[in-house]
Amino acid sequence: DQQVKQNSPSLSVQEGRISILNCDYTNSMFDYFLWYKKYPAEGPTFLISISSIKDKNEDGRFTVFLNKSAKHLSLHIVPSQPGDSAVYFCAASAQYSGAGSYQLTFGKGTKLSVIP
Amino acid sequence: ETGVTQTPRHLVMGMTNKKSLKCEQHLGHNAMYWYKQSAKKPLELMFVYNFKEQTENNSVPSRFSPECPNSSHLFLHLHTLQPEDSALYLCASSQDSGRIETQYFGPGTRLLVL
Repeated sequence: DQQVKQNSPSLSVQEGRISILNCDYTNSMFDYFLWYKKYPAEGPTFLISISSIKDKNEDGRFTVFLNKSAKHLSLHIVPSQPGDSAVYFCAASAQYSGAGSYQLTFGKGTKLSVIP
Repeated sequence: ETGVTQTPRHLVMGMTNKKSLKCEQHLGHNAMYWYKQSAKKPLELMFVYNFKEQTENNSVPSRFSPECPNSSHLFLHLHTLQPEDSALYLCASSQDSGRIETQYFGPGTRLLVL
């Protein structure tokens, strides 16, 4: 059962417009959320994160919104640029009781294509 | 060299071979992780090491054997793998797995088992 879901496998956006990537989660124990970007033949690169005590975090063109009641987060990219074309992964972190490690649970990713 | 590096980047092996994947982090972190990414699936956590001690093994088959000789190096020893083990294997590191922190990933090793 997938605890982190990215229901849109792909998204196309015109350059200069806003890109909105969505992520839903089911585990209420998740308390820290991250977005990673991945180019082909490279590992995921950390983009932005948000703690469960906040509902918004902004870093330049990237803003993450968290709606805890809906168990939903979204990544907004404004304005979108062709270099933003990549696969975006949503991840959520919780501390599992076993040995106390925080573990990341990932979604399947959304492929963003920004059209010039 | 900066960040997290992995070697080899690509590996083809037969089911009877023994090979090892290597990961090195230059970030001064104390926690290291192995993930597996299969086609059309999310990244799956395999192992966690914190201060050289294995803290998590997420029900990984024994044909995968991790080794962490120090906080900067992590290995994944492979033997008698199956074709379904073909995947992208990613290494990551963070300051301390016992805290909420960002993990930084290497470029991955693309493994094909014939």
